[in-house]
Amino acid sequence: QVQLQESGPGLVKSSGTLSLTCAVSGGSISSSNWWSWVRQPPGRRLEWIGEIYHIGSTNYNPSLKSRVTISLDKSKNQFSLNLTSVTAADTAVYYCARVDEGATRFEDWGQGTLVTVSS
Amino acid sequence: DTQMTQSPSSLSASVGDRVTITCRASQSISSHLNWYQQKPGKAPKLLIYRASTLQSGVPSRFSGSGYGTDFTLTITSLQPEDFATYYCQHSYDTPRTFGQGTKVEIK
Repeated sequence: QVQLQESGPGLVKSSGTLSLTCAVSGGSISSSNWWSWVRQPPGRRLEWIGEIYHIGSTNYNPSLKSRVTISLDKSKNQFSLNLTSVTAADTAVYYCARVDEGATRFEDWGQGTLVTVSS
Repeated sequence: DTQMTQSPSSLSASVGDRVTITCRASQSISSHLNWYQQKPGKAPKLLIYRASTLQSGVPSRFSGSGYGTDFTLTITSLQPEDFATYYCQHSYDTPRTFGQGTKVEIK
């Protein structure tokens, strides 16, 4: 089973950039999987942010597409999320996840990290 | 976007009860429907994928059914460790969306 661990600042200033990294262990980020970010605002439903395939292809949620970038770092076996121009509405627990090759299901998840956007 | 709506939003049940949760998609998603269990402060856990396939290691008291727009998750003989929030999620296209969740509480 693949293990994933999110890391990054827990507090980001409004209008700034949220940057998170997901370290992958027990498997290679170069394997035939998609790698995804999902977030959950306090007390609300899960929201898919986007995903990246091992060869670098990406899909983003249209509601966030203008502000989101997901990238791979194969040398460190990790992938990253950048979300620009953040507001209080971006306050959430952010999860990274491994998606099966067919991009049909989130099979393994990180523990999640709370990011609070402050004014 | 395909919207996912679960019912009920919450329910109270006793250990040993049979529990059924419904998920409805705003358009047909074939069998591209997954179910997750989430406990407080924890990440979601995949239970069922493609509407009815049990993820490895998940107890057989969990089952899923449905096709098109209407899906169900059934827990036969509810156990103490099953009290959690359950989410459906479609993977028919992007954006992938989740239901609002169904919280299963102890009666």
